[in-house]
Amino acid sequence: GAGVSQSPRYKVAKRGQDVALRCDPISGHVSLFWYQQALGQGPEFLTYFQNEAQLDKSGLPSDRFFAERPEGSVSTLKIQRTQQEDSAVYLCASTPGRADTQYFGPGTRLTVL
Amino acid sequence: AQKITQTQPGMFVQEKEAVTLDCTYDTSDQSYGLFWYKQPSSGEMIFLIYQGSYDEQNATEGRYSLNFQKARKSANLVISASQLGDSAMYFCAMRGPGRNNAGNMLTFGGGTRLMVKP
Repeated sequence: GAGVSQSPRYKVAKRGQDVALRCDPISGHVSLFWYQQALGQGPEFLTYFQNEAQLDKSGLPSDRFFAERPEGSVSTLKIQRTQQEDSAVYLCASTPGRADTQYFGPGTRLTVL
Repeated sequence: AQKITQTQPGMFVQEKEAVTLDCTYDTSDQSYGLFWYKQPSSGEMIFLIYQGSYDEQNATEGRYSLNFQKARKSANLVISASQLGDSAMYFCAMRGPGRNNAGNMLTFGGGTRLMVKP
């Protein structure tokens, strides 16, 4: 079956631009997670959705980061007024339930110039 | 707070030999899960193996096994009969029990780069 997909795979933005990153979870998966992976480091948690409800956004680094999942399936991570420190790979993961194994998408590599 | 430590930034192994990747963790939770993921150069995180904190047997999945030593808080990954395609970054991760509405997010270590020599 289809896995988690993310688009675009690569994004280059000029400092100050807004970007939107898309995640299509595995069909029927209730839980969706976003992670940020800086170069040479492990992923770090950003935010969590259960269906359309954003239940945990404690990992979002600033109020420039915003995530939504309006219909409980596709999710979008938006970064406003991008900064160079936002350059990273953004990974999305989904699970059937709350405490299951997380399956990851291929990530979006964001480069802010 | 949970913490995962992987002390080996890089490892070499000869093809067909076994290799152990180290992982230690710190948590005050009694219920938790430990995962290993593989990340090839393409960037996708591939799930390899899972160990629950109450599991009495060490987990195994094909050529992967997890050497779980609860008292020492270690969860080392053993790869038997290494193959060239095993060359990648390997991440150890922990999932806590989740509290209130918090999701069961993963806390990752810094990773180990494994290079398999022909």
